[in-house]
Amino acid sequence: EPEVTQTPSHQVTQMGQEVILRCVPISNHLYFYWYRQILGQKVEFLVSFYNNEISEKSEIFDDQFSVERPDGSNFTLKIRSTKLEDSAMYFCASSEEGHLRGGYTFGSGTRLTVV
Amino acid sequence: DAKTTQPPSMDCAEGRAANLPCNHSTISGNEYVYWYRQIHSQGPQYIIHGLKNNETNEMASLIITEDRKSSTLILPHATLRDTAVYYCIVPTRGSARQLTFGSGTQLTVLP
Repeated sequence: EPEVTQTPSHQVTQMGQEVILRCVPISNHLYFYWYRQILGQKVEFLVSFYNNEISEKSEIFDDQFSVERPDGSNFTLKIRSTKLEDSAMYFCASSEEGHLRGGYTFGSGTRLTVV
Repeated sequence: DAKTTQPPSMDCAEGRAANLPCNHSTISGNEYVYWYRQIHSQGPQYIIHGLKNNETNEMASLIITEDRKSSTLILPHATLRDTAVYYCIVPTRGSARQLTFGSGTQLTVLP
């Protein structure tokens, strides 16, 4: 069964450093998403991306965040200057169709720890 | 938004049917109900969705009441691997692609 692959599985970074979280969506999917989950809290939407543009973003997705599809296979989330409160699990997802009825496939996540 | 209400936790015996309820009394006529689950901090997993008719796939069945104010996800023969948090989601109005996760129901399948 096709999978969304995320790397690394765990990243530790110092406060103020930049991090890039990487995702390889399912190959025929065109819509990509990032969600995060702070430990013990709900899964939260960050951003959706289609055709090399951001389609929607939440209030969490401020200027320190950016997304990019640098090549035909990778989808990245960059956090420019990490803060302690950015510590969370970050989940990438992809879908073939641009609406929810297609179902999203999520990756296993990257656990980001900011120290 | 159509708010959903789910019990915080449920237990089910292995091999028995797990019936997970969800109330969504403010759902509007064209809003779908989606179910996802999350196994121990893994990424959420899509299960099923429906509008008004009952739906079944290889994972589960979804029963939606005639007035659409509630639904039940049924796992017909629960296994230990079905232990997870189950989320009933009615997407944010005006947002075609955004899933808003609540607290869900922690289902524990007991041996």
